[in-house]
Amino acid sequence: RKEVEQDPGPFNVPEGATVAFNCTYSNSASQSFFWYRQDCRKEPKLLMSVYSSGNEDGRFTAQLNRASQYISLLIRDSKLSDSATYLCVVLSGGSYIPTFGRGTSLIVHP
Amino acid sequence: DTGVSQNPRHKITKRGQNVTFRCDPISEHNRLYWYRQTLGQGPEFLTYFQNEAQLEKSRLLSDRFSAERPKGSFSTLEIQRTEQGDSAMYLCASSIDSPRETQYFGPGTRLLVL
Repeated sequence: RKEVEQDPGPFNVPEGATVAFNCTYSNSASQSFFWYRQDCRKEPKLLMSVYSSGNEDGRFTAQLNRASQYISLLIRDSKLSDSATYLCVVLSGGSYIPTFGRGTSLIVHP
Repeated sequence: DTGVSQNPRHKITKRGQNVTFRCDPISEHNRLYWYRQTLGQGPEFLTYFQNEAQLEKSRLLSDRFSAERPKGSFSTLEIQRTEQGDSAMYLCASSIDSPRETQYFGPGTRLLVL
């Protein structure tokens, strides 16, 4: 089993739709969690950190479920510009080594 | 531009040759990471530095790979005797002291080994 798993998609949704991605992790001792966004042939950029209590940033909501060992990202009112790959990142171990998922591809169409 | 920079942006080499990539992090960032990314996969951790000290290396990193950060500023990643399987995007990222801080990525160096 991979340390961090994501459904690669693609998720194909119309503008205005609500879409959610999950990311599961295998190390129960993982300490920190993030969502990064990566546009085609570009570098990853931080979208948001994921806090234990859940957090929201505009149309984006991130949640952590430690019992089931997954994090989620909810995007409301999808825009064309949200089309990208969304990477889940988990920090584990004493050295906080980052482990990236393979990413989930989102395509928002008119 | 005060972001992370990487050079070269593209490199084509023949199998068996050595290549070296450079990363210049954001100036006040103490942590520097190297990753490798292939098509359809997320970045795969290779190694990281806290200032000039290399604190962690992936077990997946073969002896042909070596990284340095001699003065705690820029870093180099060298691949000796390149193989076709080394073809990938090599990404560098930097962050402030805490590992929980945001990592800022450079544009990457795309390596093609023929």
